[in-house]
Amino acid sequence: AQSVTQLGSHVSVSEGALVLLRCNYSSSVPPYLFWYVQYPNQGLQLLLKYTSAATLVKGINGFEAEFKKSETSFHLTKPSAHMSDAAEYFCAVNDNFNKFYFGSGTKLNVKP
Amino acid sequence: KAGVTQTPRYLIKTRGQQVTLSCSPISGHRSVSWYQQTPGQGLQFLFEYFSETQRNKGNFPGRFSGRQFSNSRSEMNVSTLELGDSALYLCASSLGLARETQYFGPGTRLLVL
Repeated sequence: AQSVTQLGSHVSVSEGALVLLRCNYSSSVPPYLFWYVQYPNQGLQLLLKYTSAATLVKGINGFEAEFKKSETSFHLTKPSAHMSDAAEYFCAVNDNFNKFYFGSGTKLNVKP
Repeated sequence: KAGVTQTPRYLIKTRGQQVTLSCSPISGHRSVSWYQQTPGQGLQFLFEYFSETQRNKGNFPGRFSGRQFSNSRSEMNVSTLELGDSALYLCASSLGLARETQYFGPGTRLLVL
């Protein structure tokens, strides 16, 4: 069975500081992993996707994530937070049957 | 390409009524998935349709149903609405192959009074 755990429902960073959002997964098959971002009153937008081609995945808006099989993790990072990064972030895993499993989300607050 | 569109964007209903939500996927996408998002439960998977057939189903009561048309457009219906059905309903489309990216629409905000 597949599942996703996001540690920390709320994360607060100062503008310019490192952003680290944690995601751990459980998958019975080699996983395809995703990070999505949701701005208020909008749908989810794809940030990046891991497909086993490379363990470090670069996404939009300066975000990247590293797949670590030994730790079953796929943490999202950004070197320098911007006010516009304030949103909710979701980690997800996709199984062989095109079914997505989403984490509970992490709300990122960026302080000026 | 145009993105995923959902109509209506906002809806207010009263308990006991029924509601139908519509989703138009990205051109060429054959899979449409529906999710319910609430502050307390987060994102919950409702069902997925592929080529007019329900392929995956979440753990929701039978009051929640859906269908997909030959042009891949999908509708979701909720009968006998309850207060707890108030939520943001998101639709996502994909090519439908294993492990493809899902692309989300803006959602329909349903308020049940």
